[in-house]
Amino acid sequence: LAKTTQPISMDSYEGQEVNITCSHNNIATNDYITWYQQFPSQGPRFIIQGYKTKVTNEVASLFIPADRKSSTLSLPRVSLSDTAVYYCLVGDRDAGKSTFGDGTTLTVKP
Amino acid sequence: DTGVSQNPRHKITKRGQNVTFRCDPISEHNRLYWYRQTLGQGPEFLTYFQNEAQLEKSRLLSDRFSAERPKGSFSTLEIQRTEQGDSAMYLCASSPPIFQGLRETQYFGPGTRLLVL
Repeated sequence: LAKTTQPISMDSYEGQEVNITCSHNNIATNDYITWYQQFPSQGPRFIIQGYKTKVTNEVASLFIPADRKSSTLSLPRVSLSDTAVYYCLVGDRDAGKSTFGDGTTLTVKP
Repeated sequence: DTGVSQNPRHKITKRGQNVTFRCDPISEHNRLYWYRQTLGQGPEFLTYFQNEAQLEKSRLLSDRFSAERPKGSFSTLEIQRTEQGDSAMYLCASSPPIFQGLRETQYFGPGTRLLVL
């Protein structure tokens, strides 16, 4: 599975847009990019997934450039409750497992 | 609540004891996964099942660990002769058959936190 690299931590303030970038230089043709969110003492929760270009849902947007060697998770107008760890995963659609890195700890301040 | 459930939520045991955790996946999800997570790190894959077949096991899963999914529904993870290094959060996840969606999404349970004294 392709290895991913994310910033260890990020700080933001309420109401701001937050962009978390993930590098995955060795992404394979069949790989999808998936982001999960995890709060303390809870299991990870799926946020968004994409293959190329841009994907948007009610929670976030995912931007993937043409070379797919990186991706950016965009959280619009964050609130205190968005404080969590965010994981970027890369894997085949039919992958039997997910390889999590250490994630990005996002801290939203008032 | 129709999400993934795990029991117990917390377990404290003494070194050398055996423990067993249970995971009930979302109904009709044919894939079930076990992960282990230690403080400050992301979840580490342990094993996964497709229906009742165990298709992959991580090298992290030593011979003291065994997982079963006898009828393709709930799963158990047993740790024999626990060691202090086994202290972690054990997460279970399930996912639906691929044909129900364009891609696999894993739905995680709340985890079982194990403390080995």
